[in-house]
Amino acid sequence: AQSVTQPDIHITVSEGASLELRCNYSYGATPYLFWYVQSPGQGLQLLLKYFSGDTLVQGIKGFEAEFKRSQSSFNLRKPSVHWSDAAEYFCAVGVTSYDKVIFGPGTSLSVIP
Amino acid sequence: GAVVSQHPSWVICKSGTSVKIECRSLDFQATTMFWYRQFPKQSLMLMATSNEGSKATYEQGVEKDKFLINHASLTLSTLTVTSAHPEDSSFYICSARDRGDGGGYTFGSGTRLTVV
Repeated sequence: AQSVTQPDIHITVSEGASLELRCNYSYGATPYLFWYVQSPGQGLQLLLKYFSGDTLVQGIKGFEAEFKRSQSSFNLRKPSVHWSDAAEYFCAVGVTSYDKVIFGPGTSLSVIP
Repeated sequence: GAVVSQHPSWVICKSGTSVKIECRSLDFQATTMFWYRQFPKQSLMLMATSNEGSKATYEQGVEKDKFLINHASLTLSTLTVTSAHPEDSSFYICSARDRGDGGGYTFGSGTRLTVV
C-alpha cells in the first residue's frame, strides 16, 4: 500500500535560517508528489508538485523540493525562513492509477523571531 | 488558477441532525472530487472519492450511510453528515483536480463541524 512518512513532527527554526522538511514515500511506480501548507483553521495551499522531468522543483513562496528516486524522498527546502512560514506542512503522494492523494502526518513549523 | 469553494466554513448542529457541506469548482469542471477529514493536529484522511453521475467510492472504515455524497454536476459535490454525533465533529475538506492545469489538486478552505 502507498504511504507517506514525515519523520519530523515539529521543527523550530530561527527567522532567516535555512529549512529542510523531510518526506519519504512508499509506492511501486513513479508517484505524483506534492507539498501543501496549512495555516491554523485553514484549507490547504499547494506549494509545489512533481510529476516528471527535472527532479528539482521550484514552488511558490521561495520553496523548492528535490525528488530522489533512490531514496524515495521528496524533501522541501527554503534558504531563508520568514516568520510567516510558520504553519503545518504536508507531503502527499498521488496514486495515479486511482487518482487520489495520500497525505503524510505533517510537520509543524515554528519560527523564532 | 483553479479555485474550489467550500461552504459553510463552519457549522454547529445538534446531535441527531444532518448537515450538508458543499464543494464547488468555480472555474473548471471536476468529474472527480475528494472528501477528507482532519482531526485536530492530525493529518488529512481520505474519506471518499466523489464521481460525477455515479456512486461515490468510500475508503475502508468510512460509513457510506452516514456520510452521504452526491456529485450531481461537474462543478458540485455535497457531503451530508447524517444523524450527526459529537464524535463526528471534525474539519472536513474537499478537493478537486483540474486536469487542464497539468495535475495538482486544489483544496477548499474546509468546514469546521461541531456537533453539540
